[in-house]
Amino acid sequence: DTAVSQTPKYLVTQMGNDKSIKCEQNLGHDTMYWYKQDSKKFLKIMFSYNNKELIINETVPNRFSPKSPDKAHLNLHINSLELGDSAVYFCASSQSGDSSNEKLFFGSGTQLSVL
Amino acid sequence: KQEVTQIPAALSVPEGENLVLNCSFTDSAIYNLQWFRQDPGKGLTSLLLIQSSQREQTSGRLNASLDKSSGRSTLYIAASQPGDSATYLCAVSGTGNQFYFGTGTSLTVIP
Repeated sequence: DTAVSQTPKYLVTQMGNDKSIKCEQNLGHDTMYWYKQDSKKFLKIMFSYNNKELIINETVPNRFSPKSPDKAHLNLHINSLELGDSAVYFCASSQSGDSSNEKLFFGSGTQLSVL
Repeated sequence: KQEVTQIPAALSVPEGENLVLNCSFTDSAIYNLQWFRQDPGKGLTSLLLIQSSQREQTSGRLNASLDKSSGRSTLYIAASQPGDSATYLCAVSGTGNQFYFGTGTSLTVIP
């Protein structure tokens, strides 16, 4: 069983479209994250949710809207896609998000290409 | 704001060599430091986690050290193998669910 799973793995779409990426974790963790990895492989946090509540929102355009229906799911909706949104988006989770023994578990990524 | 830097950006070594990857961070108020491995087209896999009160952690051929006061960590890989080829990232965590990642070191082990 995959601990953190996200779908789709690849997403190719036209500029201006709206798309969603789904993420689920079966680890029983309280905290989930979305990270964006750019072409230079730099990983930057976008959002963090703890038990369905938004904790971190790092200067991300409001075209990006996370939604957490329950603590095992954190989906990412992107409206009016732009060329600069092309990147790999990673979902991750951790136990509580606030402990010295917290490991971060990642999904396999969604490669988004905006044409 | 925490900044994490990794040197070198890329490293190529012959099989069997021991090697050291470096990670530095600007704010020493961290909960822990983690080293991850990323294979092309894949997600990140946690290799080692060092809590802020610890000095080092070992797993097999990997040894990670932490000097919190100087803002440095090293990942030592012994007897490197071609299967070790990947990008290695370090990340530090602080309060408020924040994990800050370095820019990564791309390692190639030549058979």
